Amino acid sequence: GDSVTQMEGPVTLSEEAFLTINCTYTATGYPSLFWYVQYPGEGLQLLLKATKADDKGSNKGFEATYRKETTSFHLEKGSVQVSDSAVYFCALRNQGGKLIFGQGTELSVKP
Amino acid sequence: DAGVIQSPRHEVTEMGQEVTLRCKPISGHNSLFWYRQTMMRGLELLIYFNNNVPIDDSGMPEDRFSAKMPNASFSTLKIQPSEPRDSAVYFCASSTWTSPLHFGNGTRLTVT
Repeated sequence: GDSVTQMEGPVTLSEEAFLTINCTYTATGYPSLFWYVQYPGEGLQLLLKATKADDKGSNKGFEATYRKETTSFHLEKGSVQVSDSAVYFCALRNQGGKLIFGQGTELSVKP
Repeated sequence: DAGVIQSPRHEVTEMGQEVTLRCKPISGHNSLFWYRQTMMRGLELLIYFNNNVPIDDSGMPEDRFSAKMPNASFSTLKIQPSEPRDSAVYFCASSTWTSPLHFGNGTRLTVT
């Protein structure tokens, strides 16, 4: 069945470091891809999305490109801030409408 | 737009009791999802509805769990009888057919 795999955390970085969180997926057809972020004690918020191959989603300095050839959707940010500390979830929405999440990657940014 | 509204925010109950979690989706959204989040299993999709009809309930762990959506503005997730291993944060989310999901703030359930 459809699935999402993302790199294990926790990821600990210093402020202004470069961030990459890897995400790969398995799906039939052409899913839409998403990154969600969860701050402590809150629900998930959409960070960015891409709906077709080679689309780049971006928001708040974060970017991810839909790569169909490598079935990947890696999240990147050039310079992280302490306020970016959260859990990040990669997800796909398949053609049946089901949203499937990866296991989440905890990011901790130190000043 | 008030967002997805879940109640209660916190629920503490004793093993064997019935628990009902409630969700009000965003107006105009026709898909509704129930997720459970635990440290061990991460985010699990329990069930989702399109136009108030359950489409996929394969994630519902046992017959003790049931979900209903009597109309477009309300859904419930019921656990009867509850067990300590049901302790988790339960999230409701809604969307249109093509939009991203919008999540509520969750219900933290503790079963003692």
